[in-house]
Amino acid sequence: DAGVIQSPRHEVTEMGQEVTLRCKPISGHNSLFWYRQTMMRGLELLIYFNNNVPIDDSGMPEDRFSAKMPNASFSTLKIQPSEPRDSAVYFCASSLKVQGLTQPQHFGDGTRLSIL
Amino acid sequence: AQTVTQSQPEMSVQEAETVTLSCTYDTSENNYYLFWYKQPPSRQMILVIRQEAYKQQNATENRFSVNFQKAAKSFSLKISDSQLGDTAMYFCAFMNSNYQLIWGAGTKLIIKP
Repeated sequence: DAGVIQSPRHEVTEMGQEVTLRCKPISGHNSLFWYRQTMMRGLELLIYFNNNVPIDDSGMPEDRFSAKMPNASFSTLKIQPSEPRDSAVYFCASSLKVQGLTQPQHFGDGTRLSIL
Repeated sequence: AQTVTQSQPEMSVQEAETVTLSCTYDTSENNYYLFWYKQPPSRQMILVIRQEAYKQQNATENRFSVNFQKAAKSFSLKISDSQLGDTAMYFCAFMNSNYQLIWGAGTKLIIKP
């Protein structure tokens, strides 16, 4: 079974440009998470969807960041305009959440984003 | 606030030795889940082991086992017969009632040949 699929694996772009990161969760999973990982701040949860609905976006740093989940098999994280301080590894994770049962989160390979 | 603390920034052991990584957490919740994830240089985040707080028995997955002390809020990871492929960052994580993972800062583990 395919795991969480993220694209691109690497992205290098100039500041001010729009960046779109993509994620395909594991089939059947109903929860999706976007994380950012940096040396300084470690792993930070940006936003969490359940059944395609954003549940908690308190970790989204600024209005420049937005995330969508138009259907159960696809999500995007967009940064517009991008800034050098957005450089990080961005992870997408998915899991199955049902009443009374908690499943672990499964991670994609991440997107390494470099803003010049 | 819920926090996870990993007090060992880096550890290094010889291949085949046993190593224990420490993790403590702080929460007022009674039912929760704890996880250890491994992140090798390839940067994948790989689930190593999980523990439900309501279970008294310590979880075990092959060479990996935990020592879960609920009263002390401690959740250490023991790796037996360590292998070169175990070299990675290890993250302890606590899942709260909002289904969110609270992460420790990580321990860099180096297995020397």
